[in-house]
Amino acid sequence: AQKVTQAQTEISVVEKEDVTLDCVYETRDTTYYLFWYKQPPSGELVFLIRRNSFDEQNEISGRYSWNFQKSTSSFNFTITASQVVDSAVYFCALSEPFNAGGTSYGKLTFGQGTILTVHP
Amino acid sequence: EAGVTQSPTHLIKTRGQQATLRCSPISGHTSVYWYQQALGLGLQFLLWYDEGEERNRGNFPPRFSGRQFPNYSSELNVNALELEDSALYLCASSPGWDSPYNEQFFGPGTRLTVL
Repeated sequence: AQKVTQAQTEISVVEKEDVTLDCVYETRDTTYYLFWYKQPPSGELVFLIRRNSFDEQNEISGRYSWNFQKSTSSFNFTITASQVVDSAVYFCALSEPFNAGGTSYGKLTFGQGTILTVHP
Repeated sequence: EAGVTQSPTHLIKTRGQQATLRCSPISGHTSVYWYQQALGLGLQFLLWYDEGEERNRGNFPPRFSGRQFPNYSSELNVNALELEDSALYLCASSPGWDSPYNEQFFGPGTRLTVL
């Protein structure tokens, strides 16, 4: 069975601080996909990034960066120079390929989410 | 390009009633997913439809059901509503079998309140 753990329930920082959101996952699949979503107060989940299990390159997009380490089953997300607009709930999620079958077929398995509050 | 749309935005029902939630996927997407986000319980997978067929369902009782129409829009029906069904219901769509990555794009959700 798949499982995603986001150990940090809530994080509070002051604007311009860097912050890292942790994500640890469990899966028996050799091919899988990892995602990060942002949920602002409006409720809509906003897709941030997808990472394939066979691509361990880290990625940077503006102030956002992601560190994927297969050896520790972690996919951490760092926001550099945080801003008030970054305040939201952030979810890490795991998916298996469509052809894998099984009970996880087609669904995203989400972590419990990390509430990030950035104070001015 | 229009995103995933859901209606209504808010829905208030009483115990025992039925609720119907609607979702229109992104144009060209054939897969629709439903998730429940209840307070303190995170996001729980409910149902997955692709090409009009139910492909998988989560660990929810049979009173949670749905369907997908020929235009790929979808309905989620919740019968015999219980207080604990109060939650944000999120719909997502993906290109389906054409995309192996299962990248899902979410709508704004329907907030269901059961009194």
